[in-house]
Amino acid sequence: DQQVKQNSPSLSVQEGRISILNCDYTNSMFDYFLWYKKYPAEGPTFLISISSIKDKNEDGRFTVFLNKSAKHLSLHIVPSQPGDSAVYFCAASRQTGANNLFFGTGTRLTVIP
Amino acid sequence: DVKVTQSSRYLVKRTGEKVFLECVQDMDHENMFWYRQDPGLGLRLIYFSYDVKMKEKGDIPEGYSVSREKKERFSLILESASTNQTSMYLCASSSGSIEQYFGPGTRLTVT
Repeated sequence: DQQVKQNSPSLSVQEGRISILNCDYTNSMFDYFLWYKKYPAEGPTFLISISSIKDKNEDGRFTVFLNKSAKHLSLHIVPSQPGDSAVYFCAASRQTGANNLFFGTGTRLTVIP
Repeated sequence: DVKVTQSSRYLVKRTGEKVFLECVQDMDHENMFWYRQDPGLGLRLIYFSYDVKMKEKGDIPEGYSVSREKKERFSLILESASTNQTSMYLCASSSGSIEQYFGPGTRLTVT
């Protein structure tokens, strides 16, 4: 049973515009969320995270928003650049106990120059 | 910088062979993980380890085993490779934080 879901397998955006990647989760015990970026033939790299005590976290062009009541988070990239083209994975965890990551299925972002 | 290395980038094995995938991290991390990545399925956890000689099953352990004899090294073993184990295998490590650091992956093809 997929506890973290990314319902859009792909997204195309023009360079300079905003990219919005969405993620939903079902387990209300999750209290820490992460986004990873993956280029082909490379391992995922950590991008940004957010704790459930916050509803927004920003790092340069990347902002993650968390809506706990809706069990939904989103990653905003603005402005989008061609180098952002990659697969983005959402992941969730619990901060106490075994903090394994539960990953979504990924969204392939293509930024068109 | 954290460095996680995996022994092979690409591997081709025959059905029934025993396959060893090696992972080494250089940051003295306690925790190490093995995942497989398949299209449309994301990353799925096979096994993990929180300490030397300790191992825990993840979501899809069937057909796999692991070994952690030293803190920096975590091995994934396919006892008898099958075609449905053709996949990208990713190793990761972490310290007390939740963020995991990944190796470059091993693309395994079983024919």
